[in-house]
Amino acid sequence: AQSVAQPEDQVNVAEGNPLTVKCTYSVSGNPYLFWYVQYPNRGLQFLLKYITGDNLVKGSYGFEAEFNKSQTSFHLKKPSALVSDSALYFCAVRAHGSSNTGKLIFGQGTTLQVKP
Amino acid sequence: DAGVIQSPRHEVTEMGQEVTLRCKPISGHDYLFWYRQTMMRGLELLIYFNNNVPIDDSGMPEDRFSAKMPNASFSTLKIQPSEPRDSAVYFCASSEDRGVGNTEAFFGQGTRLTVV
Repeated sequence: AQSVAQPEDQVNVAEGNPLTVKCTYSVSGNPYLFWYVQYPNRGLQFLLKYITGDNLVKGSYGFEAEFNKSQTSFHLKKPSALVSDSALYFCAVRAHGSSNTGKLIFGQGTTLQVKP
Repeated sequence: DAGVIQSPRHEVTEMGQEVTLRCKPISGHDYLFWYRQTMMRGLELLIYFNNNVPIDDSGMPEDRFSAKMPNASFSTLKIQPSEPRDSAVYFCASSEDRGVGNTEAFFGQGTRLTVV
């Protein structure tokens, strides 16, 4: 069975500081990994994904994420946080090569609070 | 494309009534997902379809919930009878099918259901 864990309910950072939102996953088969952001009263918006190749992937709004196969992690990062980055962030996984390839599972979400 | 379209945006109903949520996926997308979001449980996958066929409905909470996809451009999620604990935001999402599951999903704005 596939699963995603986001160990932190909330992450607080000061504006201008680097941020990291953590994600670990469990799948049988190769993982496809995704990050989404949700602003209040809105649907989820896609930020970036890891499919194959370079372990560091870059996405929208200056976000990037690093895939680490040995640690089964896919942490979201940004070198310099903005107050406008404050939102709810979700990590998600799809498993390639399994009988349930299309299934897209999300973590519990991490609230990012960036303070001026 | 207008994106994934859900209706209604808000629904308030009395306990015991039937509720039907509707979703129009992005044209050309072969996967359709239904999720439920609550504070307690986060974002739960209820069911997903591939080419209008239900693939995994293991997340459907109980027999009161049912979902259909009669054609590629329309899906419904029905709750009958509804209960207060069904109150949540229900999201529909769709994605392309390139055969390997590496495509991101696009979300609708959600339906906020309140059962009183």
